[in-house]
Amino acid sequence: RKEVEQDPGPFNVPEGATVAFNCTYSNSASQSFFWYRQDCRKEPKLLMSVYSSGNEDGRFTAQLNRASQYISLLIRDSKLSDSATYLCVVDNAGNMLTFGGGTRLMVKP
Amino acid sequence: NAGVMQNPRHLVRRRGQEARLRCSPMKGHSHVYWYRQLPEEGLKFMVYLQKENIIDESGMPKERFSAEFPKEGPSILRIQQVVRGDSAAYFCASSADSNRGQPQHFGDGTRLSIL
Repeated sequence: RKEVEQDPGPFNVPEGATVAFNCTYSNSASQSFFWYRQDCRKEPKLLMSVYSSGNEDGRFTAQLNRASQYISLLIRDSKLSDSATYLCVVDNAGNMLTFGGGTRLMVKP
Repeated sequence: NAGVMQNPRHLVRRRGQEARLRCSPMKGHSHVYWYRQLPEEGLKFMVYLQKENIIDESGMPKERFSAEFPKEGPSILRIQQVVRGDSAAYFCASSADSNRGQPQHFGDGTRLSIL
């Protein structure tokens, strides 16, 4: 079983749609959680950290459920520029990031 | 540019040659991490360094790979006697400290191709 699992997609959605990605992690001792985005295998860019209380940044909302070891990302009002691969990332302490395989999003006009 | 700087962006080597990848962390960052992304795969942790110290190298292959982060100058990832399977994108990241939740910021990566 992979340490961080994501549905690879692709998710094909029209502009303006709301889309949600899920991620599960296997290490119950994991400390910190992030969503990164990666465009065409360029460098990963931090999208947002994920906190237990949930957090929102504009059109993006992240949720963490420690009991279920589950992380989610919600994107509202999708834009063409949101098309990318979204990486669920877990820090198990020791600063070693473990990446999920990514979920590919394609937003179409 | 205050971001993480990696060079070269692209590196081509023949089997058996050596590859040296360089990474300068963001200004003010003293923690450096190397990750590898094989074709069609996710990023995998290789090594975590602070100045003059290797903190965690659990992701490094046991042979041919080494990393350093000297007191002066960039961090270097060195691959000796490269093989075709070393072809990948190598990303460097840095963070300001080792506190929990501190995000890592990535450089543009070095795409290594082995002929």
